[in-house]
Order: sequence, then structure tokens, then C-alpha cells
Amino acid sequence: GQQLNQSPQSMFIQEGEDVSMNCTSSSIFNTWLWYKQEPGEGPVLLIALYKAGELTSNGRLTAQFGITRKDSFLNISASIPSDVGIYFCAGRRAGGTSYGKLTFGQGTILTVHP
Amino acid sequence: EAQVTQNPRYLITVTGKKLTVTCSQNMNHEYMSWYRQDPGLGLRQIYYSMNVEVTDKGDVPEGYKVSRKEKRNFPLILESPSPNQTSLYFCASSLSFGTQILYEQYFGPGTRLTVT
Repeated sequence: GQQLNQSPQSMFIQEGEDVSMNCTSSSIFNTWLWYKQEPGEGPVLLIALYKAGELTSNGRLTAQFGITRKDSFLNISASIPSDVGIYFCAGRRAGGTSYGKLTFGQGTILTVHP
Repeated sequence: EAQVTQNPRYLITVTGKKLTVTCSQNMNHEYMSWYRQDPGLGLRQIYYSMNVEVTDKGDVPEGYKVSRKEKRNFPLILESPSPNQTSLYFCASSLSFGTQILYEQYFGPGTRLTVT
């Protein structure tokens, strides 16, 4: 099945730096989601986006639903050590009746050095 | 405490021996879903269920079965496991209203399956 193209695959940054990651697809999506997974845990939803152009923040996190509906990005400002984890984008493709079908990106592994 | 539970958490089995991974949620959620997680591939959806007796295929349903006889339970069945089904499996649930799913999915702790 189709997956979203998420980049970068991994990032090694210093505490205090800003982080940016994105997801792209050849298909149009009507919902974009960003999750974080910590070691040994299941993913936790960070931000949900439902409209093209929508820009939503959650603390130091900001995500945007691309105008073309084929991409989304996540920014983390002023990173801290507890931001470490794997970040996943996910989305629901437009059209059809598969309302419950979600596609995930490959994940971005974030490492923050104190 | 609101939670999604999975059992077993770890399982090592042999090719062809049928197994079931159970998933149960106590939040009265309509929507439930199974994913597998493999390095470099992220999460891939296996099956999902919009409500009792309503199930549908995700992106990688081959080799798996599911059932949804009760709202709280959504077991994943591997009738004849093969080594390529060695993976980390997650069950998740969330509220939904008709076709509108609230995407704050609650994930279970994961089941690590090894098929030799």
C-alpha cells in the first residue's frame, strides 16, 4: 500500500535548536496528523489538521496542512531533551468511502543533545 | 483508567501455528485499528473497524484476520504465521460519530511477535 514520504529520516540536533520535518504524497489528503512515539510506547497524537492551509500550534509545536493537500510539515521550536522520539505523519486520503483508512509516513527519529 | 490493552506483549512462535493477539479498550470507542511497525517503514494499517461487525482492510491485510463481535474487543488473528509477519503490532481506538473519526487515537503498548 501507499506510504507517505517523510523526511528527514533522522535528525541529530543540539538543545535549543529548531526542528523541521515534512511529509509529501502524490495523492490528495483531507486530513493530516502528527504523532510522537517514545521508546517502548505507542504513538501519541500531537496535532490534527483538517483544512488546506490550516496552521495549528500545540505549545512549541506548529504544523501546517499544505495548500496543495499533498503535504504537511511539523516544526518544533527551541528543542529540549524530552523531544527525543520518533515523529510520524499520517493522513486520510480524499475520495472514496474508506473513512477509517490511515496512511503513515516512515517516521523521523529525533535525537537532542543537551 | 482509560486504556487499550494488548495480550500477549511478547510472543515467539513457529511458522504455521495459528495465533491470536487480543486487544481490548475500556473507553466505549467505536473505531479500532491494527497496525504493524517495522524499521524504516513506519506504521502500516492492517485492518480497522468503524463499529461492531464492521471491519475493513487497511494497507497490509494479507495474512491477517480480524473480528469485531463486541465493541470493546478487536482481536488480530494470524491463521498461518510466516517469518515476514515478525513485527511490532499496535492496536488503537478512538471515538467516531458516523464517518467522522476523532483522530486522537489511543494506542496499546504493543505486541512484539517473532515467527521462526
